[in-house]
Amino acid sequence: KAGVTQTPRYLIKTRGQQVTLSCSPISGHRSVSWYQQTPGQGLQFLFEYFSETQRNKGNFPGRFSGRQFSNSRSEMNVSTLELGDSALYLCASSLALRTSYNEQFFGPGTRLTVL
Amino acid sequence: AQSVAQPEDQVNVAEGNPLTVKCTYSVSGNPYLFWYVQYPNRGLQFLLKYITGDNLVKGSYGFEAEFNKSQTSFHLKKPSALVSDSALYFCAVRGGSNYQLIWGAGTKLIIKP
Repeated sequence: KAGVTQTPRYLIKTRGQQVTLSCSPISGHRSVSWYQQTPGQGLQFLFEYFSETQRNKGNFPGRFSGRQFSNSRSEMNVSTLELGDSALYLCASSLALRTSYNEQFFGPGTRLTVL
Repeated sequence: AQSVAQPEDQVNVAEGNPLTVKCTYSVSGNPYLFWYVQYPNRGLQFLLKYITGDNLVKGSYGFEAEFNKSQTSFHLKKPSALVSDSALYFCAVRGGSNYQLIWGAGTKLIIKP
């Protein structure tokens, strides 16, 4: 079974631009979560989607948004990029949401650099 | 409020010695506890989890963790460390009314030959 895939793997943007990151979960997984990882702030939760609905949201400004499609694939968008948005963005999928004991499976991440 | 604490930013252990990476948590209701490992330039990998039952949970790569309800801890352990165990380790807990997964800050484990 293929793992979680994220595209692109690396991205360089300039301040003020917007970016869209894509995540394909493991086949059969319906829950997708997004995280931002930086050396100084660690792993920060962005959002969690299940059945195309955002179920949980972290403390990020409205510039960060996401969505999930009917095939469980997910995208996240960051508008008006700032230097501080430079980070590794990780996507994770799991079987379901309310069965909270399911572990998450992570993709390799998208490394975003904002210049 | 739910929280997870990993009190050590870094743990240094000599190869062959036992290792412990600490995790304490605060959550309402019964917690679901997880450990993940991140090798350099990689995504996170699941190591083990505690749901219910035996307090000692065994996971991948020879790791185990002990759930202690009275101390609200879930420390990760391994009897004999390998240099290849050097990585960043994250503890996470899911609980409360919205089942959000709360992550610790991570502990860098360095195993010296």
